[in-house]
Amino acid sequence: QVQLQQSGPGLVQPSQTLSLTCAISGDSVSSNIGAWNWIRQSPSRGLEWLGRTYYRSKWKNDYAVSMNGRITINPDTSKNQFSLQLNSVTPEDTAMYYCARIAVAVPPIWGQGTMVTVSS
Amino acid sequence: DNVMTQSPESLAVSLGERATINCKSSQSVLYNSNNKNCLVWYQQKPGQPPRPLIYWASTRESGVPDRFSGSGSGTDFTLTISSLQAEDVAVYYCQQHSSTPLTFGGGTRVEI
Repeated sequence: QVQLQQSGPGLVQPSQTLSLTCAISGDSVSSNIGAWNWIRQSPSRGLEWLGRTYYRSKWKNDYAVSMNGRITINPDTSKNQFSLQLNSVTPEDTAMYYCARIAVAVPPIWGQGTMVTVSS
Repeated sequence: DNVMTQSPESLAVSLGERATINCKSSQSVLYNSNNKNCLVWYQQKPGQPPRPLIYWASTRESGVPDRFSGSGSGTDFTLTISSLQAEDVAVYYCQQHSSTPLTFGGGTRVEI
């Protein structure tokens, strides 16, 4: 049974970097059919896809244009997890953040969510 | 971007009656390599993450009651709850993952 376990701080100061990790059990971040996504949800923006990392003979990333280059998603094969870094955060980045496996060939799986507040 | 439009925004249905939610994409979500529609239906209750109900437009997730069904292909999709139960009160979302950015519908609130 595939499970995703999120971790990371719930409070980030403005202009700092938001960092979250998603640990995978029951699957591999290096799977050549999976794709590992970060999604956030807020009342003002609804469900918003942020980006993903996946392995297809080599590592690839896709990011939402709306992130304006502030985002990095990295796999960690030694720990079988992947991470989200969002730089230069503002209060508009306050949201519930989710990691998820969403790919063409496998059923979707979501993490439990992490509420992140950007405030001083 | 592939814009996902759900209708209605909210729906009030009597217990035991049918609920139908529509989702229309601005571009086809059919993935040619495996001829599957990359369309997921989610159920979200307050304080919980979205729960996948249906993937590939019509495949029910393990453990999802068979009163939930998905249909459609290409750009037009439907989620049907055949006999609404009290525990089905929630917000329902569709999502496409055939192209980036992955996009979601605005949600449909189902009430009794």
